[in-house]
Amino acid sequence: EADIYQTPRYLVIGTGKKITLECSQTMGHDKMYWYQQDPGMELHLIHYSYGVNSTEKGDLSSESTVSRIRTEHFPLTLESARPSHTSQYLCASSPRRLAGGVGTDTQYFGPGTRLTVL
Amino acid sequence: AQKVTQAQTEISVVEKEDVTLDCVYETRDTTYYLFWYKQPPSGELVFLIRRNSFDEQNEISGRYSWNFQKSTSSFNFTITASQVVDSAVYFCALSRGGGSEKLVFGKGTKLTVNP
Repeated sequence: EADIYQTPRYLVIGTGKKITLECSQTMGHDKMYWYQQDPGMELHLIHYSYGVNSTEKGDLSSESTVSRIRTEHFPLTLESARPSHTSQYLCASSPRRLAGGVGTDTQYFGPGTRLTVL
Repeated sequence: AQKVTQAQTEISVVEKEDVTLDCVYETRDTTYYLFWYKQPPSGELVFLIRRNSFDEQNEISGRYSWNFQKSTSSFNFTITASQVVDSAVYFCALSRGGGSEKLVFGKGTKLTVNP
């Protein structure tokens, strides 16, 4: 099981503010992900990274950006928050598949950040 | 394209009842992986089980059991003798094999277990 941390857990801010949601994991996992979960519960992948200096956009278009400078850290930034960004943001990580191995690695999730933009 | 359907949006049961959460998936891959996650009111997603497409054996873990049937593209989850602590949103998810670990989630089923 992964130890994965997200801060803050709850954030209420005004429109136009720049915010960074932190995500870190202590398991040395190569792969990390950001999901956005709308009030209707559906989860959407917005960013992912397969390692340091690797970032990709997910299936749902997002105005946020991410960086992966260190293996354990995968922050998400919103340059100018808007009410439409109000959502829960979940970070996940999974280990690298062993060389020659098969299978998909399980994603382990952090506790989430509940963001409200007024 | 991959798709996961959880037709039951909400289920409400009384404690000690058995309850089955349905999951139907669509994929053209021959190798794929199925998952169940639990999301309690606190918000985190808790991993419950992973199944690969070549393993159709049912699995039991305490009060939890999973029934994987490729013939009907289903991966159903049963909780026996439900408890109030089982109240949560449960997500079924699918990923393709061969190197892509992107998960496609169903919309979730909210289970409420009443005392």
